[in-house]
Amino acid sequence: DTAVSQTPKYLVTQMGNDKSIKCEQNLGHDTMYWYKQDSKKFLKIMFSYNNKELIINETVPNRFSPKSPDKAHLNLHINSLELGDSAVYFCASSRGQGARSARYTFGSGTRLTVV
Amino acid sequence: SQKIEQNSEALNIQEGKTATLTCNYTNYSPAYLQWYRQDPGRGPVFLLLIRENEKEKRKERLKVTFDTTLKQSLFHITASQPADSATYLCALSFSSNTGKLIFGQGTTLQVKP
Repeated sequence: DTAVSQTPKYLVTQMGNDKSIKCEQNLGHDTMYWYKQDSKKFLKIMFSYNNKELIINETVPNRFSPKSPDKAHLNLHINSLELGDSAVYFCASSRGQGARSARYTFGSGTRLTVV
Repeated sequence: SQKIEQNSEALNIQEGKTATLTCNYTNYSPAYLQWYRQDPGRGPVFLLLIRENEKEKRKERLKVTFDTTLKQSLFHITASQPADSATYLCALSFSSNTGKLIFGQGTTLQVKP
C-alpha cells in the first residue's frame, strides 16, 4: 500500500487552464503539505494543513488553492495556469505538528508542464 | 539573507570509499536538521534527524554531525555502494509549531563500481 499517493503523476496542460492535483495518505498523519520543486531542484513549501486547518500559507499566488476535506486528503487546485507554474509538486505528510515530529513522508510527485 | 547551501556540483567517488556531503546554513537557528535521499522521479525519503544539542548521529553506514557554532552539518556514507547514488537533501526545522522544513538544493552523489 502506498503511504502518500498523488494523482496524476504527469499533467500537461495549456496556459490558462484550471487543474487539480490530489493527494491521499494512509499513515494516520495529522499534517499534510504541498511543496514545489523547481528546475534547480529547490523544494519550497507552499501550504500545510493540520487536521483540516490551514497552518502554513507561504507567498504563493492566490491562483493556488489547497483544500483538505479530511485529514487524510489534501488537494491542490490551480487556476489560470501560467508557464512558470511548470514544476514538480510534492505532497507530504507528518505525524503531529511540531518540529520534533516533522519527519516527512513524501509522495512520488506530480510533474506539471504548462505549454 | 537566509540560506542553506549544499555542494551544487556532483560528488563522484569510488565504491567502498566514504562519501562526505556538506550542508551549511546562514541566518537560521534550527532546532533540528534532517537528511533526505531523493532518487530521479521520486519523492525525498527521510534518512536521519539530529537535534541541535546532539553532535553526532549514526544509522548503519550513515553518520551525521551537527555543529551549530559552524552552522554546518556533515553527512557521511561509509563503504559506499553504487546503490547509494542519489541526490541528498538537508533540511532545517525549527522550534515553532508549524512542522515547516526548509530544504537545501541537494548534492548528487555518484558511486562508481
